[in-house]
Amino acid sequence: GAVVSQHPSWVICKSGTSVKIECRSLDFQATTMFWYRQFPKKSLMLMATSNEGSKATYEQGVEKDKFLINHASLTLSTLTVTSAHPEDSSFYICSARQRGGYEQYFGPGTRLTVT
Amino acid sequence: AQSVAQPEDQVNVAEGNPLTVKCTYSVSGNPYLFWYVQYPNRGLQFLLKYITGDNLVKGSYGFEAEFNKSQTSFHLKKPSALVSDSALYFCAVRDTFSGGYNKLIFGAGTRLAVHP
Repeated sequence: GAVVSQHPSWVICKSGTSVKIECRSLDFQATTMFWYRQFPKKSLMLMATSNEGSKATYEQGVEKDKFLINHASLTLSTLTVTSAHPEDSSFYICSARQRGGYEQYFGPGTRLTVT
Repeated sequence: AQSVAQPEDQVNVAEGNPLTVKCTYSVSGNPYLFWYVQYPNRGLQFLLKYITGDNLVKGSYGFEAEFNKSQTSFHLKKPSALVSDSALYFCAVRDTFSGGYNKLIFGAGTRLAVHP
């Protein structure tokens, strides 16, 4: 149980375009979903937190107009990278937490390359 | 400030030998502690957690961790390492200031290399 999927697993886009990444909890309802960014050989950097039906809460330094997060249902959250630039290239990972639980369950990640 | 420290960038161990991956933490209030493992180009997999109760916590794949309040540590252990255990390991603690969101604060990660 507690499976989280992400789609796509990798994407290449041109500078200036937008990319949407989906995160789904497959066998549980995710009260809270988290989006992280991970640089090579580095730890995870929390970008934002969202509860279903609420606006996302962004960490300091993360541009909310650039990284749009929508938590439309208890099983789906999306991250849209708008007007992507090469510096946005990274490994993006989502996670989900179910009601009453403390551990997060992670998706497999999405490798974004902006050319 | 709340934080998690993993003092070793890399741990090397021979297959069949016991392994320990170290973690210390600093948090306000009661610590909720977690271990995750990450294989290359993959997300993190949950291994185990300590919320309350016995100080020795058993988790997936034969891993266990010992909570030591006086030393503020939560070291990950396994009695006999496998080559397939080679991966990146993250220790995390619940951010007690994050309220109902229950955010996690992650350590920098420790790369475990198990040699045949």
